[in-house]
Amino acid sequence: DTEVTQTPKHLVMGMTNKKSLKCEQHMGHRAMYWYKQKAKKPPELMFVYSYEKLSINESVPSRFSPECPNSSLLNLHLHALQPEDSALYLCASSQDGWDRENYGYTFGSGTRLTVV
Amino acid sequence: GQQVMQIPQYQHVQEGEDFTTYCNSSTTLSNIQWYKQRPGGHPVFLIQLVKSGEVKKQKRLTFQFGEAKKNSSLHITATQTTDVGTYFCAGPRGSTLGRLYFGRGTQLTVWP
Repeated sequence: DTEVTQTPKHLVMGMTNKKSLKCEQHMGHRAMYWYKQKAKKPPELMFVYSYEKLSINESVPSRFSPECPNSSLLNLHLHALQPEDSALYLCASSQDGWDRENYGYTFGSGTRLTVV
Repeated sequence: GQQVMQIPQYQHVQEGEDFTTYCNSSTTLSNIQWYKQRPGGHPVFLIQLVKSGEVKKQKRLTFQFGEAKKNSSLHITATQTTDVGTYFCAGPRGSTLGRLYFGRGTQLTVWP
């Protein structure tokens, strides 16, 4: 299995709703990431988990709450979002260590989120 | 903070023409990666360059990493309509593992 699976693919939520995005990989990757991508912009790093521990939070508002229940799963809990949070949310995973050959990120197909 | 600058932002070519996108960093990079994102799709990893002056080829794609490890390029020979998409370079910020930041990307359009 060489894929990162994200669910749901599309999500429409109100500003008072609570929802969760899910991400799963079975490649044995020990680093997992959340990125946010607006239309015609590059992906922006939000969170990094390394060995199931949060190692980087890029000053993301607390209405976004990540969780890593185990080495294969990554969640992003959403609460009280704003319309400007509408974007494509990408999960990615990778092997650990910059010096490894082909230390590329494997991205999921993303969740397209619309906040109304 | 360190940024990876990428140019051009857009490139329109006729099928069969060559295409090149460039990335530059103000600081030395430990490595640089390249990704392709098709319209409506997600980024797909193409390659990682680690060594100074490194050149790697994948069929019609040639990737270069500068001698000073501050710049990189992706060159596509004889573009095809299947090459359409946005090409991103991405480099690490600082020494913290996992801080991979993307250039703004070059959106390639190929018309038949």
